[in-house]
Amino acid sequence: SQTIHQWPATLVQPVGSPLSLECTVEGTSNPNLYWYRQAAGRGLQLLFYSVGIGQISSEVPQNLSASRPQDRQFILSSKKLLLSDSGFYLCAWSPPDRAYQPQHFGDGTRLSIL
Amino acid sequence: AQSVTQLDSHVSVSEGTPVLLRCNYSSSYSPSLFWYVQHPNKGLQLLLKYTSAATLVKGINGFEAEFKKSETSFHLTKPSAHMSDAAEYFCVVSFNTNAGKSTFGDGTTLTVKP
Repeated sequence: SQTIHQWPATLVQPVGSPLSLECTVEGTSNPNLYWYRQAAGRGLQLLFYSVGIGQISSEVPQNLSASRPQDRQFILSSKKLLLSDSGFYLCAWSPPDRAYQPQHFGDGTRLSIL
Repeated sequence: AQSVTQLDSHVSVSEGTPVLLRCNYSSSYSPSLFWYVQHPNKGLQLLLKYTSAATLVKGINGFEAEFKKSETSFHLTKPSAHMSDAAEYFCVVSFNTNAGKSTFGDGTTLTVKP
């Protein structure tokens, strides 16, 4: 069966520091991968998605970037964090080349910027 | 353009009474529809999915939803609420678009009173 892992679960970082959040998927090949941010009490905002290695699409201009160095690895990064980057970050995957399939989520990373 | 609207941001019920969480969508095509549940500081868990088979869909934990094309609705119901159902619920629409992207509703917070 497929599993998705995100880490760390929580992270406290000072303003201006760099960021690296990692997400890996097991049990499938060439998945579609997604990064979302969820502000407190709000819905989900799609940040990035990827349909293959090295293929990244950005949905919202911002202080963050994403990379997919391996088939089942998706990394969210920032060179200098802003206070507004605080939130709950969720990684998700869906089967490749198949429309109408649900996404499956990791347990998220709670990011607090001080 | 596709969209999804969750008609209630908050719903409060007493334990043992029925639950109704409302969702309407807008689409030019036949969509797939999903309901997810999110407990605090957790990722989203798939409750059920509609993918153009039976219009009444049964999910986990006693939830079900009915797809009504004429009303463009996909309301989530449960006959008897349990305290453990207290959570955030998201209605999601997926279309035959590139990369399996989905559109998320803003969420409904379900409170269950003892």
